[in-house]
Amino acid sequence: DTAVSQTPKYLVTQMGNDKSIKCEQNLGHDTMYWYKQDSKKFLKIMFSYNNKELIINETVPNRFSPKSPDKAHLNLHINSLELGDSAVYFCASSQGLRAGLYNEQFFGPGTRLTVL
Amino acid sequence: DAKTTQPNSMESNEEEPVHLPCNHSTISGTDYIHWYRQLPSQGPEYVIHGLTSNVNNRMASLAIAEDRKSSTLILHRATLRDAAVYYCIRNDMRFGAGTRLTVKP
Repeated sequence: DTAVSQTPKYLVTQMGNDKSIKCEQNLGHDTMYWYKQDSKKFLKIMFSYNNKELIINETVPNRFSPKSPDKAHLNLHINSLELGDSAVYFCASSQGLRAGLYNEQFFGPGTRLTVL
Repeated sequence: DAKTTQPNSMESNEEEPVHLPCNHSTISGTDYIHWYRQLPSQGPEYVIHGLTSNVNNRMASLAIAEDRKSSTLILHRATLRDAAVYYCIRNDMRFGAGTRLTVKP
């Protein structure tokens, strides 16, 4: 069974549309994350949720809204898509997020978003 | 911004050891050093982590400098499947550009 899964794997859409990417983890982890990897391959953290509460919110346009219905899911909703949103989006989860401790992250396979 | 610095790329021959360096001169005393790698068209995967002592696991070894300002990921015998981008990061999980490792047969 896949530990961290994302749907869809590919998403092609027009500028201005609203789309969602879903993420589920079956590892029993408390913390989930969204990352964006742009065309230059830089991987940047966007959000982190711990027990359904937002704990990391990087400088991300408010068109991006994460939603965590439960600990196992962290969905990413994007409004008014722009060309610059084209990237690969990775979901990840970890057991926890405690200062001074490691938290091995398990990443999903990624969702390649193309905005035309 | 990432608080670690790594060479952009490195090459290795198959079956030879590879030493991937990382500088983290501003690391705090409680900050772990994590290494992840990203194979082509896949999400990053955990490799190893450490705090002060050198660490070994089935994938690699991690040598941490005594002052903790740098560390080295060691792949003892590189295989073609080890070709990937290797990221050295701290607890804040801010990935930099990483080191692209090419393994030549």
